[in-house]
Amino acid sequence: KQEVTQIPAALSVPEGENLVLNCSFTDSAIYNLQWFRQDPGKGLTSLLLIQSSQREQTSGRLNASLDKSSGRSTLYIAASQPGDSATYLCAATDSWGKLQFGAGTQVVVTP
Amino acid sequence: NAGVTQTPKFRVLKTGQSMTLLCAQDMNHEYMYWYRQDPGMGLRLIHYSVGEGTTAKGEVPDGYNVSRLKKQNFLLGLESAAPSQTSVYFCASSPRPDTQYFGPGTRLTVL
Repeated sequence: KQEVTQIPAALSVPEGENLVLNCSFTDSAIYNLQWFRQDPGKGLTSLLLIQSSQREQTSGRLNASLDKSSGRSTLYIAASQPGDSATYLCAATDSWGKLQFGAGTQVVVTP
Repeated sequence: NAGVTQTPKFRVLKTGQSMTLLCAQDMNHEYMYWYRQDPGMGLRLIHYSVGEGTTAKGEVPDGYNVSRLKKQNFLLGLESAAPSQTSVYFCASSPRPDTQYFGPGTRLTVL
């Protein structure tokens, strides 16, 4: 059974610092690895999707890496802004499209 | 396109009552999913469907039933609600085992 862990559970940084969010998974037979953002009381917004054959994906200030051999993915957010405050979730996808989520990292960026 | 919609947005039930949550998508997606989100536990898959007329169990299916009679709709039923089913329920759809599109969620409280 796939298990996904996110460390740390919470993170507070001053505006302008780079954010590093970690995700680990136990079964390397994944279809892809996804990162989502969730604002309080809201649904999930997809940020980045890394196919199992890829090592990284980039979108603007966001960069996500994937190392299947070690069972790890890292989300980097450059030059953080207060608007980046949210909970970030990673999820490992199997071949049926079923997502196994981590518990999330709650991020607060202080002005 | 409305994307993925969920009805209702909020609901309060008494223990033992029944209800049905409706998920609708207008993107002609084959795959649909129901998740629940509890504090500190991320999202967990309840049931999913890989096409009209098909359903399958996820990680936490007990106490729930589902039906996918029409491709665009995925219904989640609670036959006899219990306080342990107090949660936020999210529906998602996808065209293939890839990026999932999430609805806004239904907040359910069982007293």
